[in-house]
Amino acid sequence: EPEVTQTPSHQVTQMGQEVILRCVPISNHLYFYWYRQILGQKVEFLVSFYNNEISEKSEIFDDQFSVERPDGSNFTLKIRSTKLEDSAMYFCASSEPNYNEQFFGPGTRLTVL
Amino acid sequence: AQTVTQSQPEMSVQEAETVTLSCTYDTSENNYYLFWYKQPPSRQMILVIRQEAYKQQNATENRFSVNFQKAAKSFSLKISDSQLGDTAMYFCAFMKGGGGADGLTFGKGTHLIIQP
Repeated sequence: EPEVTQTPSHQVTQMGQEVILRCVPISNHLYFYWYRQILGQKVEFLVSFYNNEISEKSEIFDDQFSVERPDGSNFTLKIRSTKLEDSAMYFCASSEPNYNEQFFGPGTRLTVL
Repeated sequence: AQTVTQSQPEMSVQEAETVTLSCTYDTSENNYYLFWYKQPPSRQMILVIRQEAYKQQNATENRFSVNFQKAAKSFSLKISDSQLGDTAMYFCAFMKGGGGADGLTFGKGTHLIIQP
């Protein structure tokens, strides 16, 4: 069964460093998403992406964040200058056009020291 | 903007019992979808069940069913014959309709514990 994959599973970085989180969505999906879950809290929407541009973004998704689809398979989230409060689980998800179910990847745990 | 409220931070039941998790939401949209996601200790997000707002019939997936009350903006999840593997965080989520790349709005979750 097709699935969304994410790498790495755990990333540790120093405050102020740049990190790139990678996702491979399901191959025939065209909508892509990033979500964040701070430990013990709810899952929060960051951004959605379609047709090589941002479709929707939340207030959390400020200038330190960016997304990209650098090739036909990967979808990345870049955090330019990490802060301690960026420590969280980051989930990628994808969906087919006009279909409401989003399929989630296993997540990347980001720890900022 | 939408809000999703789950008023039960934690629930505990015995194996084989039936349990109902509550969820209410607020929206001005008329076309939308509602979901229940399960998050076990592995933290993977797993879709349990979904409901289209335009459908009056409540969704059912094996032991899982919902009670969707559109006028009351209520969307509860019933788990019948609960099993140890049902132990997890359960999140209620809302998504606008329209077919675009809309993000999900999640509630804070209910930690469900199934006791042997």
